[in-house]
Amino acid sequence: DAGVTQSPTHLIKTRGQHVTLRCSPISGHKSVSWYQQVLGQGPQFIFQYYEKEERGRGNFPDRFSARQFPNYSSELNVNALLLGDSALYLCASSLYRTSYNTGELFFGEGSRLTVL
Amino acid sequence: KQEVTQIPAALSVPEGENLVLNCSFTDSAIYNLQWFRQDPGKGLTSLLLIQSSQREQTSGRLNASLDKSSGRSTLYIAASQPGDSATYLCAAPTGANNLFFGTGTRLTVIP
Repeated sequence: DAGVTQSPTHLIKTRGQHVTLRCSPISGHKSVSWYQQVLGQGPQFIFQYYEKEERGRGNFPDRFSARQFPNYSSELNVNALLLGDSALYLCASSLYRTSYNTGELFFGEGSRLTVL
Repeated sequence: KQEVTQIPAALSVPEGENLVLNCSFTDSAIYNLQWFRQDPGKGLTSLLLIQSSQREQTSGRLNASLDKSSGRSTLYIAASQPGDSATYLCAAPTGANNLFFGTGTRLTVIP
């Protein structure tokens, strides 16, 4: 069975540009979450989507946006890139929306974004 | 707001040694806690998920415990191997299935 897949795996952008990252969840999983991991730190929550609706948002500026499609895949968009946006962007999927259920998250390999 | 702390930040042990990684969290009103492994430049691999109704969870040479009252979890690795070298992260959830992560413990197992 395919796990969580993310694309692209690596990309380089310059300041001010826009980037779109893509994620396909595990088959049957309806919840997709996005996390940002800067070097040496743990991942930080950006967004959660469940059944195509935003269910949670972390402390990130409005330059960050996301959406979920009818097939439960998701895109993360970042506008007006800053040097500080350089990070590993991780997508996670789960069966359920809340941790009141099993709550286990499964992560993809991530998209490594470098902003020059 | 949930805060997660992991001690030590780095650990180096000889092959074959048993070891314990520590994780503490501030908000004990959690329903579960998850341990992950991360290899350099890679994504996160789920190791163990402990429900709040459980005190321990085991998978192979790994054993995780959860003590909600004290806000602590431990990951025990038995008979460590060089292939266990990685960063280990613990994460505690909020009600919306978002995880708060610690900064991890970087483990090196020396052959």
